[in-house]
Amino acid sequence: DGGITQSPKYLFRKEGQNVTLSCEQNLNHDAMYWYRQDPGQGLRLIYYSQIVNDFQKGDIAEGYSVSREKKESFPLTVTSAQKNPTAFYLCASSIGRPFSGNTIYFGEGSWLTVV
Amino acid sequence: RKEVEQDPGPFNVPEGATVAFNCTYSNSASQSFFWYRQDCRKEPKLLMSVYSSGNEDGRFTAQLNRASQYISLLIRDSKLSDSATYLCVGAGTYKYIFGTGTRLKVLA
Repeated sequence: DGGITQSPKYLFRKEGQNVTLSCEQNLNHDAMYWYRQDPGQGLRLIYYSQIVNDFQKGDIAEGYSVSREKKESFPLTVTSAQKNPTAFYLCASSIGRPFSGNTIYFGEGSWLTVV
Repeated sequence: RKEVEQDPGPFNVPEGATVAFNCTYSNSASQSFFWYRQDCRKEPKLLMSVYSSGNEDGRFTAQLNRASQYISLLIRDSKLSDSATYLCVGAGTYKYIFGTGTRLKVLA
């Protein structure tokens, strides 16, 4: 089945550690995104990418990094510089150029907790 | 004012009831609108796109009013399985704008 696969689903991180969240899609979408969701808030954009080896900061990029070495893959690293990383992280993709009025599809999400 | 605003609810309705949600938006540059359903601790899933002419998918009807800048979702004959949070989403040229969601509880 076509879709977006995120792993791990649950992750616990000690303060000061970097962690990487995996995102793979087989929808052949060009645009990929990372969002963060906190309780009672709308989704906030961390990073997005239009093509391989190109990505742009979103509204809350500080403390995060990404790479896009393959069209299918867009991993997110949460670094120790991110002061409040406990959240639900959603990887997403859409056809064509980023945004542009297109439908966005989400992976199952990753829950990150700092312990 | 938030760019997309929804009543957080919860809306508690009996099984079989008809329920309607509205979502107002302030960014008139949004090209497209969507309703997503999000279950507790799960990802948002596309419920339906919203067209100016109105569109229906089974028990669900969506409407877009550009003049008044709101979109609506109507659910007829509510089922227990409709209990979820419903997000309205505006898709513009340079961003997606997400509402914080309206929580629906359908009661037996």
